Amino acid sequence: AQSVAQPEDQVNVAEGNPLTVKCTYSVSGNPYLFWYVQYPNRGLQFLLKYITGDNLVKGSYGFEAEFNKSQTSFHLKKPSALVSDSALYFCAVRDKVAYSGAGSYQLTFGKGTKLSVIP
Amino acid sequence: EAGVTQFPSHSVIEKGQTVTLRCDPISGHDNLYWYRRVMGKEIKFLLHFVKESKQDESGMPNNRFLAERTGGTYSTLKVQPAELEDSGVYFCASSPYRTGSTEAFFGQGTRLTVV
Repeated sequence: AQSVAQPEDQVNVAEGNPLTVKCTYSVSGNPYLFWYVQYPNRGLQFLLKYITGDNLVKGSYGFEAEFNKSQTSFHLKKPSALVSDSALYFCAVRDKVAYSGAGSYQLTFGKGTKLSVIP
Repeated sequence: EAGVTQFPSHSVIEKGQTVTLRCDPISGHDNLYWYRRVMGKEIKFLLHFVKESKQDESGMPNNRFLAERTGGTYSTLKVQPAELEDSGVYFCASSPYRTGSTEAFFGQGTRLTVV
């Protein structure tokens, strides 16, 4: 079974400083990895994904994530945090599905990490 | 292009009552998923439709939950009768049904509180 761990419930960072939100995963095959963000009173928004290729993936709002196969990690990073980055961040792995079908997929999520950027 | 929309945004009901949540996926998306997040926990998969067919309902908690997608457009998720542990945020997501499609697009969620 697939699983995702986000070891930090909350991350606090000063505005302008670099930020990292940690994620490790467990999956039997090759993982598809995702980061989603939930701003207050909003839905989940897709940030970025790793499917294959370059281990450093760039996404929306200046975020990036590095896939590390040996450490089974997919940490989310940003060089300079903004107050507007304060939100709930979810890491997810694509689950294997027992049936065939193009475009079908089921995500396994972590518990989420609340990021607070302090002015 | 309109995103995934969910109704209502909030619902407070008493234990034993019935509640129906609705999800309108992005037009043309044949895949539709329901997920749920109980407070402080992971977002958990409930079920997956391809058009009007239930492809995978392995995540449905019990038979008090009934999901439908008549005509392959919008979907409803009914909880009858609701219990306290059903409280949480219910997310709907959709994606196109084609090779290479990977990420799903989520709605804003319905916050259900059972008192």
